[in-house]
Amino acid sequence: EDKVVQSPLSLVVHEGDTVTLNCSYEVTNFRSLLWYKQEKKAPTFLFMLTSSGIEKKSGRLSSILDKKELFSILNITATQTGDSAVYLCAVAPLYSNYQLIWGAGTKLIIKP
Amino acid sequence: DTEVTQTPKHLVMGMTNKKSLKCEQHMGHRAMYWYKQKAKKPPELMFVYSYEKLSINESVPSRFSPECPNSSLLNLHLHALQPEDSALYLCASSQTGRGAKNIQYFGAGTRLSVL
Repeated sequence: EDKVVQSPLSLVVHEGDTVTLNCSYEVTNFRSLLWYKQEKKAPTFLFMLTSSGIEKKSGRLSSILDKKELFSILNITATQTGDSAVYLCAVAPLYSNYQLIWGAGTKLIIKP
Repeated sequence: DTEVTQTPKHLVMGMTNKKSLKCEQHMGHRAMYWYKQKAKKPPELMFVYSYEKLSINESVPSRFSPECPNSSLLNLHLHALQPEDSALYLCASSQTGRGAKNIQYFGAGTRLSVL
């Protein structure tokens, strides 16, 4: 059965710290991996990764994919209180144009 | 513009009521989705419309009835719901077709409470 596992499930750090969130997957016929940030309501798209080793960056956030070891990491440097959210990882399989296999999410709390 | 608009933001309904959730996008996406999300869980796919046709129904009870009037609009009609249907209902849209990336853009959701 296809699955996506995120770790840790929750994380509390202080403002200014750097955090690394993990996402491992076992998915038949991998197409892409997506990261979303969910604050109170809407999941907001962060990154889509399809190739190994190519780092995606957006400001203080970056992500990389390892297709050999079947995982991705999301890094956030110089964290701010506004980074507090649930970070969701999802994998798009080749066998569907629509379905995503979701991880349970990592709840990140940034303390001032 | 990556905006998906959902109305209403909050909805409280009794088990005998009929109500509708609405979703609109103007990104030219031809795939639209309904998800249900319970607290501390990831979104759970309910329905997918592709080119205004129902493509996926994830064995959702018939008290939930989707409708796609045109390529920009998606409705979810609710009737005779149960208290366990209380959840955040999210709409999303994405490109579809050959070469399309399955990046789903989400609306802010409707927080539904069934009494």
